[in-house]
Amino acid sequence: SQQGEEDPQALSIQEGENATMNCSYKTSINNLQWYRQNSGRGLVHLILIRSNEREKHSGRLRVTLDTSKKSSSLLITASRAADTASYFCATARDNYGQNFVFGPGTRLSVLP
Amino acid sequence: SAVISQKPSRDICQRGTSLTIQCQVDSQVTMMFWYRQQPGQSLTLIATANQGSEATYESGFVIDKFPISRPNLTFSTLTVSNMSPEDSSIYLCSVVGIGGTNTEAFFGQGTRLTVV
Repeated sequence: SQQGEEDPQALSIQEGENATMNCSYKTSINNLQWYRQNSGRGLVHLILIRSNEREKHSGRLRVTLDTSKKSSSLLITASRAADTASYFCATARDNYGQNFVFGPGTRLSVLP
Repeated sequence: SAVISQKPSRDICQRGTSLTIQCQVDSQVTMMFWYRQQPGQSLTLIATANQGSEATYESGFVIDKFPISRPNLTFSTLTVSNMSPEDSSIYLCSVVGIGGTNTEAFFGQGTRLTVV
């Protein structure tokens, strides 16, 4: 079964609006992470939320985790054109937390 | 954080040829990971490269097609052999657990491969 499925697959918003992306997963997790990818380049880690946390903030990012529903959301507030990228959630496949499964990703376009 | 240098950044190759991608990390790491990202898709793990042992391949990936070397704790190569247009993808190397974090993944900038 596939871990970490995001929706929507693509999202287009105006600068200044908020963007919300959702991720679902199928098995138990120790943590869930969100990554950003600009134009098919390497991924950059954004934020990690542990299984015993419900919400976490980092700058304009807000992540929630609902382990009962096996879902997470990433909210980017006051979006900027520079936020245009693909966003992926990731969960570990093993207990060592080194082998990840990435969701299909959400392609965010922020229009100036 | 880790600095990972991956090269080449892109290449256009003829079908039937092979391309070797290099990944250099600025810290010693036990495991390095190689991913493939097909156009418009997410990342799929190809294999885990351990220093001093054979790489561990995921289902659907075989050593003859994607041979991997791991000569030391800071370097690895992935070769895409006997290429076909279906191999056109972005290939990424990754490490986990650098600089005090034990779960954050760091990535090279990727190699965008086009097979014609």
